Amino acid sequence: AQSVAQPEDQVNVAEGNPLTVKCTYSVSGNPYLFWYVQYPNRGLQFLLKYITGDNLVKGSYGFEAEFNKSQTSFHLKKPSALVSDSALYFCAVRAISGGYNKLIFGAGTRLAVHP
Amino acid sequence: NAGVTQTPKFQVLKTGQSMTLQCAQDMNHEYMSWYRQDPGMGLRLIHYSVGAGITDQGEVPNGYNVSRSTTEDFPLRLLSAAPSQTSVYFCASSNREWQPQHFGDGTRLSIL
Repeated sequence: AQSVAQPEDQVNVAEGNPLTVKCTYSVSGNPYLFWYVQYPNRGLQFLLKYITGDNLVKGSYGFEAEFNKSQTSFHLKKPSALVSDSALYFCAVRAISGGYNKLIFGAGTRLAVHP
Repeated sequence: NAGVTQTPKFQVLKTGQSMTLQCAQDMNHEYMSWYRQDPGMGLRLIHYSVGAGITDQGEVPNGYNVSRSTTEDFPLRLLSAAPSQTSVYFCASSNREWQPQHFGDGTRLSIL
């Protein structure tokens, strides 16, 4: 079955420290992977994507993600967390079903950055 | 640039009532989709469309109906509202189904 898992419901980190939000996936074929962020009472905003090329992908707001094919992971990272990074983060993977592509989302990880 | 616009932002319904959630985008995107967001379950795909006149079911289509008569609009219809449909509903659009999606700000729906 095609799926994506975010093993942590919440990640707590101190401001200025590095952060990692984990994501693993299971899809057939080459994976197309995405990270989105959601702030309170808003829709999801695109952060970054991996389709092909370098395993380290850079995105918006200083975030980056590392694609690891052998571990089927796509962890989101940032070298120095900000309080304003506190939000809900979703990993997503393209799935092919019935001849069409669609996105499957993980359950989300809440990031809390403490001053 | 409006992007993806959802109306209404909030709605309370009684069990058995029907209603339509509106979604419009001004980016000429072919792909549009509806998701529901429930605590601890992420976003689940209800229905999607790859272009005008073409729709298909997602993971949780039961109780919902869609049509796509124009590129811009993709309304979601609740046929007979049930308390299990209490959720936050998001509409999204993109150039292709595997490209980054643009989301609306959601409709918060409560079914009593």
